[in-house]
Amino acid sequence: QKEVEQNSGPLSVPEGAIASLNCTYSDRGSQSFFWYRQYSGKSPELIMSIYSNGDKEDGRFTAQLNKASQYVSLLIRDSQPSDSATYLCAVSAAGNQFYFGTGTSLTVIP
Amino acid sequence: SAVISQKPSRDICQRGTSLTIQCQVDSQVTMMFWYRQQPGQSLTLIATANQGSEATYESGFVIDKFPISRPNLTFSTLTVSNMSPEDSSIYLCSVNRAGGYTFGSGTRLTVV
Repeated sequence: QKEVEQNSGPLSVPEGAIASLNCTYSDRGSQSFFWYRQYSGKSPELIMSIYSNGDKEDGRFTAQLNKASQYVSLLIRDSQPSDSATYLCAVSAAGNQFYFGTGTSLTVIP
Repeated sequence: SAVISQKPSRDICQRGTSLTIQCQVDSQVTMMFWYRQQPGQSLTLIATANQGSEATYESGFVIDKFPISRPNLTFSTLTVSNMSPEDSSIYLCSVNRAGGYTFGSGTRLTVV
């Protein structure tokens, strides 16, 4: 069973701060890495994907991947109350099989 | 990204009955995926539905309990059979598009 581990939180940050979300995975053959945001009562929404080592930035979001350490993270700069949600890490190896972490609950305090 | 219409959005069902969930995608896709999200938990893959062949089920899920149909490249159904309260969950269909999964809006099922 492929494992994807996340701190369940809850993680609380003040508005305007940087939120840092972390994820580790067990399958060294993993090739694609994703971050999803899920608001309460809603379905997950893809916010970032990353495939190679290093950083990928998209607006206030930065995904970081380190395959040697089997670690992927998501940084949210200038956190807003609307960022309050559960963030799911997902990892995919060959064959389109996705494995999701249990999610980290983020609360941004105004 | 793909637009996925899923229905019903929610239902309350008696134990022992069955519920069929429908998922319609706005364009053709080879594979459709069915997930379950139990309260406070992450997503667990139930099965992968390919058009024209039997669905592939993950460990712990069987066809008798979760029969799936995939009559064409834009549509799939998942049936939750002989329901018990343990089946109370959110059920989501999904497709893989442009490097990521897109999810339907989900079906919130409560079994009483």
